[in-house]
Amino acid sequence: DAGVTQSPTHLIKTRGQQVTLRCSPKSGHDTVSWYQQALGQGPQFIFQYYEEEERQRGNFPDRFSGHQFPNYSSELNVNALLLGDSALYLCASSLSPPVHTGELFFGEGSRLTVL
Amino acid sequence: AQSVTQPDIHITVSEGASLELRCNYSYGATPYLFWYVQSPGQGLQLLLKYFSGDTLVQGIKGFEAEFKRSQSSFNLRKPSVHWSDAAEYFCAVINYGQNFVFGPGTRLSVLP
Repeated sequence: DAGVTQSPTHLIKTRGQQVTLRCSPKSGHDTVSWYQQALGQGPQFIFQYYEEEERQRGNFPDRFSGHQFPNYSSELNVNALLLGDSALYLCASSLSPPVHTGELFFGEGSRLTVL
Repeated sequence: AQSVTQPDIHITVSEGASLELRCNYSYGATPYLFWYVQSPGQGLQLLLKYFSGDTLVQGIKGFEAEFKRSQSSFNLRKPSVHWSDAAEYFCAVINYGQNFVFGPGTRLSVLP
């Protein structure tokens, strides 16, 4: 049973560029959440997708957008990259709503470096 | 707003010694509380969770945590630490929006 898979694992971009990160949820999970983890900090909630719609959003600008596909996989897009966007981006999947099962399953993350 | 604090940024213990990692939360209602562990280069793994009932919960890898409402705390404990426990530990709460709010983390180092 494959867990949560993310790609790419590492990438380097320059300021102003755009990036797309991808996530495949754990088998049987229909909800995908994205988190940003800056160095030395805890994960910060970006948004959550369920039934191909954004259901919840954290305190992130519109430069951060996402998508969920019919097979429940998801993408995170970040436009006009800033140096401060450098972080580990974590994808987490769950059964909806996550509070009922109480567990998020995390991927290993995509480490983005913005130069 | 809901928040989670972990007062200890970095803790070092000797292998075989006991461990307690502190977590305090700010939340108006009965919280759903979690502890996750993150090993280097890996994603987060759930250690244990508290929803209701018995305030002492058991988790994987020999960890346990105790919910104390009067102190707004959910401290993680282990009676005997192994070298493989060296990692980053995150306390989290589910907030009103049903999203996870994570603390800043505590890095655990284990001396041989």
